[in-house]
Amino acid sequence: DAGVIQSPRHEVTEMGQEVTLRCKPISGHNSLFWYRQTMMRGLELLIYFNNNVPIDDSGMPEDRFSAKMPNASFSTLKIQPSEPRDSAVYFCASSLKDSNSPLHFGNGTRLTVT
Amino acid sequence: AQSVTQLGSHVSVSEGALVLLRCNYSSSVPPYLFWYVQYPNQGLQLLLKYTSAATLVKGINGFEAEFKKSETSFHLTKPSAHMSDAAEYFCAVSDRGSGNTPLVFGKGTRLSVIA
Repeated sequence: DAGVIQSPRHEVTEMGQEVTLRCKPISGHNSLFWYRQTMMRGLELLIYFNNNVPIDDSGMPEDRFSAKMPNASFSTLKIQPSEPRDSAVYFCASSLKDSNSPLHFGNGTRLTVT
Repeated sequence: AQSVTQLGSHVSVSEGALVLLRCNYSSSVPPYLFWYVQYPNQGLQLLLKYTSAATLVKGINGFEAEFKKSETSFHLTKPSAHMSDAAEYFCAVSDRGSGNTPLVFGKGTRLSVIA
């Protein structure tokens, strides 16, 4: 089992540019979560999907953020246009659709917007 | 809605000393509870989880946690700290029978181990 795979590991971009973060969940998992981690706000849930369908995107900070899950093995989080305050570590996690199933996290994408 | 409170954003212990990281939960029904660990530049990893079997749950790396309903607590302990335990620890809660609403995480406790 390769675990949750995120790419890229690091992304440095200039303000105003589009950023796309990618995630491949664990095969067989039917729930996928995007989190953002910063020193100030800790771990924040941005959006989650069940069976590829977005369930709750109330954590997405602004319309500049969007997420898709076109199939069970791939998801993207896009920021357009990016701003310096978006600098953070973005984590993708997947799990089985069960309230006692633990989350499996990827190693994150460290985003720096200058 | 459920929530967790982790007491102490930073805990420092000497190598070989007892580790105690505190977590209190708020939930209308007995929840599922989890502890995760995050090492530098990595994602969160599951340490252990409580799902209503034994109230004392053993996890990886010698950690364990005890569910105490009367105290609404799920504190994490390890008898003897090792340098490799230095990391950030997160407590999380999930409602039973909620389908798959996301885990609610605490703000984390950073554990430092002093040689």
